[in-house]
Amino acid sequence: GAVVSQHPSRVICKSGTSVKIECRSLDFQATTMFWYRQFPKKSLMLMATSNEGSKATYEQGVEKDKFLINHASLTLSTLTVTSAHPEDSSFYICSALQGQSYGYTFGSGTRLTVV
Amino acid sequence: EDQVTQSPEALRLQEGESSSLNCSYTVSGLRGLFWYRQDPGKGPEFLFTLYSAGEEKEKERLKATLTKKESFLHITAPKPEDSATYLCAVRLDAGGTSYGKLTFGQGTILTVHP
Repeated sequence: GAVVSQHPSRVICKSGTSVKIECRSLDFQATTMFWYRQFPKKSLMLMATSNEGSKATYEQGVEKDKFLINHASLTLSTLTVTSAHPEDSSFYICSALQGQSYGYTFGSGTRLTVV
Repeated sequence: EDQVTQSPEALRLQEGESSSLNCSYTVSGLRGLFWYRQDPGKGPEFLFTLYSAGEEKEKERLKATLTKKESFLHITAPKPEDSATYLCAVRLDAGGTSYGKLTFGQGTILTVHP
């Protein structure tokens, strides 16, 4: 089945630094990728939608300058958390859509801790 | 406003005690209702997709059903390994920049005791 690889699984960074999270579709081309944020014991909150070669579409309230999304190819999307602060600590999950007739495949998530 | 509501928030069962989880939605233009299982510290794992009222799908001890207003995830004779958070999500009939967006419910935390 379709597999989405997300790296790193855990990262700890210092306040003020930037962190990049990668999301790769391993055996299919993802027309659209989604980035979610999840707080403890809460559901997934969509941050942005990205299509290959296009600018990402951000949900209301999500700072596009803080959460930079790049979808350079049909198999790779990256989320960069810039100038990270402790309040950015969270569980980030990507998802890839293989086309209109296929489902969504989720990555395994990245636990970001900003100290 | 489009909404997806799951109940109960948490459910504790004894092994073998069957039950159901509910996902109610108030959306227009439903293009699919999805059920996922999520283990702690992991991404959601796909279970089912339902597209039209009356549709049912089964997988091992799980059965998902769909009406025009809600979906149920029935768990028959659960085992401790079924303990997880179960999420439902809806895909709406929206184009443009909203293409493919999923709206998730809050999830139901299921604990099955041996």
